[in-house]
Amino acid sequence: EVQLLESGGGLIQPGGSLRLSCATSGFTFSASAMSWVRQAPGKGLEWVSLIYSGGSSTYYVDSVKGRFTISRDNSKNTLYLQMNSLRAEDTAVYYCAKDRYYASGSSYLDYWGQGTLVTVSS
Amino acid sequence: EIVLTQSPATLSLSPGERATLSCRASQSVSSSLAWYQQRPGQAPSLLIYDASNRATGVPARFSASGSGTDFTLTISSLEPEDFAVYFCQHRSSWPPYTFGRGTKLEIK
Repeated sequence: EVQLLESGGGLIQPGGSLRLSCATSGFTFSASAMSWVRQAPGKGLEWVSLIYSGGSSTYYVDSVKGRFTISRDNSKNTLYLQMNSLRAEDTAVYYCAKDRYYASGSSYLDYWGQGTLVTVSS
Repeated sequence: EIVLTQSPATLSLSPGERATLSCRASQSVSSSLAWYQQRPGQAPSLLIYDASNRATGVPARFSASGSGTDFTLTISSLEPEDFAVYFCQHRSSWPPYTFGRGTKLEIK
C-alpha cells in the first residue's frame, strides 16, 4: 500500500523558516518524481514544486522561487520542502504527492498525503 | 503560464442527475490534462489522466473528453459520494503545472 505522510507544519512568524518532510512507503521512491501542492484555507490547489527521481532537476512556482527548496533522500524514501522567508500568503495545507508516468509520457499525481498545515502569522 | 478556467464555479444538482463540468486552457495543453476530486476534509484524488482516461478504481459513471484548450468532465448519474470539489490541472510541457480554481458540486 502506498503511503505518504507529511510532517513539519506549524505556526511560524513572518520571515521564519520551516522544513516539511514527507515519509513514503509502498512504492519505489527512488524511481518516482515527487511534487508539493498547497491549498490555502478555503481556496483551491496550487502546484508548488516538482523534483525528478534523481534529485538534480527541480521546478518551482514563481511565487516561491528563491525562498523554497525541494529535495529528497532516496536512501530514506523521504521528500523535503525547505521554506525560508515565509510570508502570510504561504499559509496553507501542504500536500506531497507522487508523480506517475503514463504511456503518453505525461505524469500526474496518483497518490497524495493527508497534508500538513503551515500557518504564517505574528 | 497556462491559466485554466473552470466553469461553473458551483453546480447544484440532485442525486441521479447528470453533471457536466468544464475546464478551458489559455493555450493548448494537447491532451495533458487531469481531473482531481476533493471531498471535504480529504486530500485530492486522481480521477482522470490524459484528458479522457479513468484512473485506477474510478467508477465508469465518470467520463471525460477534450483536447487542446477545451475539456469536459461528465458524471452520468450522481451518487451521494460524488458531491465534492473538482479541479483540473495541466501537465503540458514545462511547469508551472497550474490547477483550475475548481468546481464545487453541491446537492440541490
